[in-house]
Amino acid sequence: DQQVKQNSPSLSVQEGRISILNCDYTNSMFDYFLWYKKYPAEGPTFLISISSIKDKNEDGRFTVFLNKSAKHLSLHIVPSQPGDSAVYFCAASGNTNAGKSTFGDGTTLTVKP
Amino acid sequence: NAGVTQTPKFRVLKTGQSMTLLCAQDMNHEYMYWYRQDPGMGLRLIHYSVGEGTTAKGEVPDGYNVSRLKKQNFLLGLESAAPSQTSVYFCASSSTHPGLEFFGPGTRLTVL
Repeated sequence: DQQVKQNSPSLSVQEGRISILNCDYTNSMFDYFLWYKKYPAEGPTFLISISSIKDKNEDGRFTVFLNKSAKHLSLHIVPSQPGDSAVYFCAASGNTNAGKSTFGDGTTLTVKP
Repeated sequence: NAGVTQTPKFRVLKTGQSMTLLCAQDMNHEYMYWYRQDPGMGLRLIHYSVGEGTTAKGEVPDGYNVSRLKKQNFLLGLESAAPSQTSVYFCASSSTHPGLEFFGPGTRLTVL
Protein backbone atom coordinates (compact mmCIF):
# COMPACT_ATOMS: atom_id res chain seq x y z
CA ASP A 1 0.00 0.00 0.00
CA GLN A 2 1.87 3.03 -1.28
CA GLN A 3 0.92 5.98 0.88
CA VAL A 4 2.58 8.64 -1.28
CA LYS A 5 2.15 8.46 -5.03
CA GLN A 6 3.63 10.43 -7.88
CA ASN A 7 1.66 9.14 -10.83
CA SER A 8 3.74 10.77 -13.54
CA PRO A 9 7.17 9.12 -13.87
CA SER A 10 8.31 11.84 -16.25
CA LEU A 11 7.46 15.33 -17.44
CA SER A 12 8.92 17.37 -20.29
CA VAL A 13 8.43 21.14 -20.62
CA GLN A 14 9.87 23.96 -22.66
CA GLU A 15 12.22 26.47 -21.04
CA GLY A 16 10.29 29.46 -19.72
CA ARG A 17 7.01 27.58 -19.34
CA ILE A 18 5.43 26.30 -16.14
CA SER A 19 6.23 22.85 -14.74
CA ILE A 20 3.59 21.23 -12.54
CA LEU A 21 4.51 18.13 -10.59
CA ASN A 22 1.81 16.27 -8.69
CA CYS A 23 1.70 14.11 -5.59
CA ASP A 24 -1.16 12.26 -3.90
CA TYR A 25 -1.23 10.75 -0.45
CA THR A 26 -3.61 8.41 1.32
CA ASN A 27 -2.82 8.82 5.01
CA SER A 28 -4.82 11.66 6.54
CA MET A 29 -2.41 11.76 9.50
CA PHE A 30 0.33 13.27 7.34
CA ASP A 31 0.73 16.93 8.23
CA TYR A 32 4.09 17.97 6.80
CA PHE A 33 5.07 17.69 3.16
CA LEU A 34 8.38 18.25 1.43
CA TRP A 35 9.77 18.30 -2.08
CA TYR A 36 13.31 17.16 -2.76
CA LYS A 37 15.30 17.54 -5.96
CA LYS A 38 17.86 14.98 -7.08
CA TYR A 39 20.52 15.24 -9.76
CA PRO A 40 22.20 12.08 -11.11
CA ALA A 41 24.94 10.67 -8.88
CA GLU A 42 24.03 13.06 -6.06
CA GLY A 43 21.90 12.81 -2.96
CA PRO A 44 18.47 14.47 -2.80
CA THR A 45 18.42 18.10 -1.66
CA PHE A 46 15.55 19.86 0.06
CA LEU A 47 13.58 22.21 -2.16
CA ILE A 48 10.44 23.43 -0.40
CA SER A 49 7.99 22.28 2.26
CA ILE A 50 4.48 22.97 3.46
CA SER A 51 2.67 22.37 6.71
CA SER A 52 -0.93 21.19 6.73
CA ILE A 53 -2.03 24.46 8.33
CA LYS A 54 -1.23 26.21 5.04
CA ASP A 55 -2.47 25.69 1.51
CA LYS A 56 0.37 27.45 -0.28
CA ASN A 57 4.05 28.12 0.22
CA GLU A 58 6.22 30.10 -2.16
CA ASP A 59 9.99 30.38 -2.53
CA GLY A 60 11.19 32.24 -5.58
CA ARG A 61 10.25 30.29 -8.70
CA PHE A 62 8.89 27.38 -6.65
CA THR A 63 5.41 27.18 -5.17
CA VAL A 64 3.82 24.23 -3.42
CA PHE A 65 0.04 23.94 -3.14
CA LEU A 66 -1.72 21.65 -0.69
CA ASN A 67 -5.32 20.48 -1.05
CA LYS A 68 -6.05 18.56 2.16
CA SER A 69 -9.55 17.51 1.21
CA ALA A 70 -8.25 15.91 -1.97
CA LYS A 71 -5.06 14.67 -0.28
CA HIS A 72 -3.11 16.24 -3.11
CA LEU A 73 -0.14 18.53 -3.41
CA SER A 74 1.57 20.04 -6.39
CA LEU A 75 4.86 21.78 -7.09
CA HIS A 76 4.84 24.63 -9.59
CA ILE A 77 8.06 25.89 -11.16
CA VAL A 78 7.75 29.18 -13.01
CA PRO A 79 9.58 29.87 -15.24
CA SER A 80 11.22 26.51 -15.81
CA GLN A 81 14.95 26.48 -16.59
CA PRO A 82 17.18 23.76 -18.07
CA GLY A 83 18.97 23.53 -14.70
CA ASP A 84 15.70 22.40 -13.15
CA SER A 85 16.02 19.10 -15.02
CA ALA A 86 16.20 16.52 -12.24
CA VAL A 87 14.17 13.92 -10.37
CA TYR A 88 11.69 15.44 -7.92
CA PHE A 89 10.55 13.46 -4.89
CA CYS A 90 7.51 14.24 -2.83
CA ALA A 91 7.69 13.22 0.85
CA ALA A 92 5.12 13.22 3.64
CA SER A 93 5.44 12.86 7.40
CA GLY A 94 3.53 13.44 10.59
CA ASN A 95 2.66 11.87 13.88
CA THR A 96 1.81 8.69 12.04
CA ASN A 97 4.58 6.24 11.28
CA ALA A 98 6.65 7.58 14.20
CA GLY A 99 7.30 10.78 12.29
CA LYS A 100 9.30 9.13 9.56
CA SER A 101 9.11 10.50 6.04
CA THR A 102 7.43 8.46 3.31
CA PHE A 103 8.66 9.16 -0.21
CA GLY A 104 6.97 8.92 -3.58
CA ASP A 105 8.70 7.21 -6.50
CA GLY A 106 9.77 10.49 -8.07
CA THR A 107 9.07 12.40 -11.28
CA THR A 108 11.85 13.06 -13.77
CA LEU A 109 11.54 16.61 -15.10
CA THR A 110 13.23 17.53 -18.35
CA VAL A 111 13.30 21.21 -19.31
CA LYS A 112 14.15 21.68 -22.98
CA PRO A 113 16.04 24.81 -24.08
CA ASN B 1 30.97 22.17 6.86
CA ALA B 2 31.05 18.92 4.95
CA GLY B 3 27.38 18.17 5.76
CA VAL B 4 26.68 14.45 5.35
CA THR B 5 29.43 12.25 3.96
CA GLN B 6 29.30 8.58 3.01
CA THR B 7 32.09 6.04 2.65
CA PRO B 8 32.65 4.31 0.26
CA LYS B 9 31.13 5.81 -2.89
CA PHE B 10 31.14 2.52 -4.79
CA ARG B 11 31.52 -1.10 -3.84
CA VAL B 12 31.19 -4.48 -5.52
CA LEU B 13 30.61 -7.52 -3.32
CA LYS B 14 30.19 -11.19 -3.94
CA THR B 15 27.16 -12.99 -2.55
CA GLY B 16 27.74 -13.87 1.09
CA GLN B 17 30.38 -11.21 1.76
CA SER B 18 29.89 -8.64 4.47
CA MET B 19 30.59 -4.92 4.56
CA THR B 20 29.91 -1.75 6.51
CA LEU B 21 28.83 1.58 5.09
CA LEU B 22 29.81 4.64 7.09
CA CYS B 23 27.80 7.83 7.36
CA ALA B 24 29.11 10.91 9.12
CA GLN B 25 27.46 14.30 9.72
CA ASP B 26 28.97 17.45 11.18
CA MET B 27 25.73 19.35 11.84
CA ASN B 28 25.15 17.96 15.35
CA HIS B 29 21.86 16.42 14.20
CA GLU B 30 20.05 14.05 16.53
CA TYR B 31 18.29 12.04 13.85
CA MET B 32 19.95 9.89 11.22
CA TYR B 33 18.52 7.59 8.54
CA TRP B 34 19.58 4.96 6.05
CA TYR B 35 17.59 4.61 2.80
CA ARG B 36 17.93 2.51 -0.29
CA GLN B 37 16.85 3.60 -3.74
CA ASP B 38 16.15 1.11 -6.51
CA PRO B 39 15.57 2.08 -10.16
CA GLY B 40 12.21 3.79 -10.71
CA MET B 41 11.43 3.76 -7.03
CA GLY B 42 11.50 6.21 -4.23
CA LEU B 43 13.60 6.12 -1.11
CA ARG B 44 12.77 3.29 1.26
CA LEU B 45 13.81 3.57 4.88
CA ILE B 46 16.01 0.74 6.14
CA HIS B 47 16.84 1.82 9.71
CA TYR B 48 16.95 5.08 11.59
CA SER B 49 18.22 6.55 14.84
CA VAL B 50 16.69 9.21 17.07
CA GLY B 51 19.86 9.80 19.04
CA GLU B 52 23.24 8.42 20.06
CA GLY B 53 22.96 4.80 21.14
CA THR B 54 19.50 4.29 19.64
CA THR B 55 18.37 2.49 16.49
CA ALA B 56 15.01 1.45 15.08
CA LYS B 57 13.71 -0.51 12.12
CA GLY B 58 12.33 1.19 9.08
CA GLU B 59 10.33 -0.14 6.16
CA VAL B 60 12.88 -2.66 4.77
CA PRO B 61 15.25 -3.69 7.61
CA ASP B 62 15.82 -7.37 6.80
CA GLY B 63 19.42 -8.26 6.01
CA TYR B 64 20.82 -5.06 7.52
CA ASN B 65 22.09 -3.98 10.91
CA VAL B 66 23.00 -0.52 12.18
CA SER B 67 24.85 1.11 15.01
CA ARG B 68 25.06 4.67 16.37
CA LEU B 69 27.86 4.63 18.89
CA LYS B 70 28.69 8.29 18.31
CA LYS B 71 26.20 11.05 17.58
CA GLN B 72 27.93 12.03 14.35
CA ASN B 73 28.23 8.52 12.87
CA PHE B 74 25.65 6.01 11.67
CA LEU B 75 26.90 2.67 10.36
CA LEU B 76 24.98 0.30 8.10
CA GLY B 77 26.12 -3.32 7.99
CA LEU B 78 25.36 -6.10 5.59
CA GLU B 79 26.14 -9.41 7.25
CA SER B 80 25.77 -11.68 4.20
CA ALA B 81 25.20 -9.74 1.02
CA ALA B 82 22.60 -10.90 -1.51
CA PRO B 83 22.01 -9.76 -5.12
CA SER B 84 18.68 -8.25 -3.94
CA GLN B 85 20.72 -5.74 -1.94
CA THR B 86 22.18 -4.23 -5.09
CA SER B 87 21.05 -0.63 -4.78
CA VAL B 88 22.09 2.94 -4.10
CA TYR B 89 22.23 3.66 -0.38
CA PHE B 90 21.64 7.13 1.01
CA CYS B 91 22.27 8.36 4.50
CA ALA B 92 20.45 11.40 5.84
CA SER B 93 20.30 13.44 9.01
CA SER B 94 17.90 15.97 10.48
CA SER B 95 17.63 18.21 13.51
CA THR B 96 13.91 17.67 13.95
CA HIS B 97 11.67 14.64 13.53
CA PRO B 98 9.82 14.95 11.30
CA GLY B 99 11.77 17.55 9.48
CA LEU B 100 13.78 18.23 6.42
CA GLU B 101 16.57 15.81 5.90
CA PHE B 102 20.08 16.45 4.63
CA PHE B 103 21.31 13.65 2.40
CA GLY B 104 24.74 12.28 1.66
CA PRO B 105 25.92 11.68 -1.92
CA GLY B 106 25.09 7.97 -1.86
CA THR B 107 26.91 4.64 -2.06
CA ARG B 108 26.37 2.50 -5.14
CA LEU B 109 26.54 -1.15 -4.09
CA THR B 110 26.54 -4.09 -6.50
CA VAL B 111 26.25 -7.63 -5.22
CA LEU B 112 27.25 -10.30 -7.72
